Amino acid sequence: DTGVSQDPRHKITKRGQNVTFRCDPISEHNRLYWYRQTLGQGPEFLTYFQNEAQLEKSRLLSDRFSAERPKGSFSTLEIQRTEQGDSAMYLCASSLDSHLEQYFGPGTRLTVT
Amino acid sequence: KNEVEQSPQNLTAQEGEFITINCSYSVGISALHWLQQHPGGGIVSLFMLSSGKKKHGRLIATINIQEKHSSLHITASHPRDSAVYICAVRPLQGAQKLVFGQGTRLTINP
Repeated sequence: DTGVSQDPRHKITKRGQNVTFRCDPISEHNRLYWYRQTLGQGPEFLTYFQNEAQLEKSRLLSDRFSAERPKGSFSTLEIQRTEQGDSAMYLCASSLDSHLEQYFGPGTRLTVT
Repeated sequence: KNEVEQSPQNLTAQEGEFITINCSYSVGISALHWLQQHPGGGIVSLFMLSSGKKKHGRLIATINIQEKHSSLHITASHPRDSAVYICAVRPLQGAQKLVFGQGTRLTINP
């Protein structure tokens, strides 16, 4: 399978715990995007990388959120001290160029109890 | 007001009906995407367009840049078309990200 993959697919955690999600983009894609989708809403932009550089962050990305793409391949999104409001689907997408189609992963569904 | 508005939010129809989902946006864009999301979350890109009309099988997408409006049509709808359809635009400003509508939940009954 050469599509975008995300791990884990589901995560249940208790409030206050830290969680980390991983995204593996399509191998030759240099751009990687993170989005968050709450129930009944469309996705919202969180951040994006061009290769290993994080070029834009949404104001939705509070200080508890950090994303990395250390070697310009896979990316991780960490949420520290999770809150119930962090419960959402976290989607990753990749593209070969900023003006080309974005390919989405299956998402990681986070539930904070 | 959201930058991207879709209508209707929910649509239920009978198998075989012609379906139209509308998307209006308020910013200048370089491209508009129609996406399909099935239960479980996975998103599939259906169309990316910046002008005119595109067709793929039973799906047709149109865009009017002057009116800032796009439509997604499904001909001869089938229960397997049941999904959430999302319109997303790539703004001219900050063109690295997509801005999404809230989605239209389509249910096709047999």
